[in-house]
Amino acid sequence: QSALTQPASVSGSPGQSITISCTGTSGDIGSYDLVSWYQHHPGKAPKVMIFEVTKRPSGVSNRFSGSKSGNTASLTISGLQAEDEADYYCCSFAGSITFPYVFGTGTKVNVV
Amino acid sequence: EVQLVESGGGLVQPGGSLRLSCSASGITFRNYAMHWVRQAPGKGLEYVSSITSDGDSTYYADSVKGRFTISRDNSKNTLYLQMSSLRGEDTAVYFCVQPSDWLPFYWGQGTPVTVSS
Repeated sequence: QSALTQPASVSGSPGQSITISCTGTSGDIGSYDLVSWYQHHPGKAPKVMIFEVTKRPSGVSNRFSGSKSGNTASLTISGLQAEDEADYYCCSFAGSITFPYVFGTGTKVNVV
Repeated sequence: EVQLVESGGGLVQPGGSLRLSCSASGITFRNYAMHWVRQAPGKGLEYVSSITSDGDSTYYADSVKGRFTISRDNSKNTLYLQMSSLRGEDTAVYFCVQPSDWLPFYWGQGTPVTVSS
């Protein structure tokens, strides 16, 4: 299974909106509505921001939203804040109990 | 609040062994499958292994199959990863993960493993 493709970095100013893409294949993103997004500040536990493509866990700001079209999922962060600066990873169910999911390559979000 | 706390990481020589532990709280541990995920320095996240809630079934990424063993003790709310025949490419931070609908949901902070002579 190959990693999902994400841009290496995305930058935005405070208050702006940014979108991170996550491109997979018809065997993962394209076949299942099981895509999650994680925020990771190095040295801390990764945190789920979006699950099942569009759902936000309790406590996650509504500035974070997810979507999917075909083999590509997207995470949009609106009203960008300094605290949003982190690494973001997408993850998709890969259809096999022996290899259940594949991660994206990761995107560094810079708030400039 | 769900808490997953990993321990047991450290420096080990190539070919050596190490056992990682993950202590869980805030969940009914015995009800959940559990996974290990790792992140090598400067790299992305990688699925390593998973175990069913009762411990009867285990699964491994090809990169660790035959060298790593996942297990659990539901009476102690603890997940384990026994790693042997370690290689340089196993150097990574190892995360304990509780999945929901197959995908990782709750994560620990990770424990670092360095394989080097």
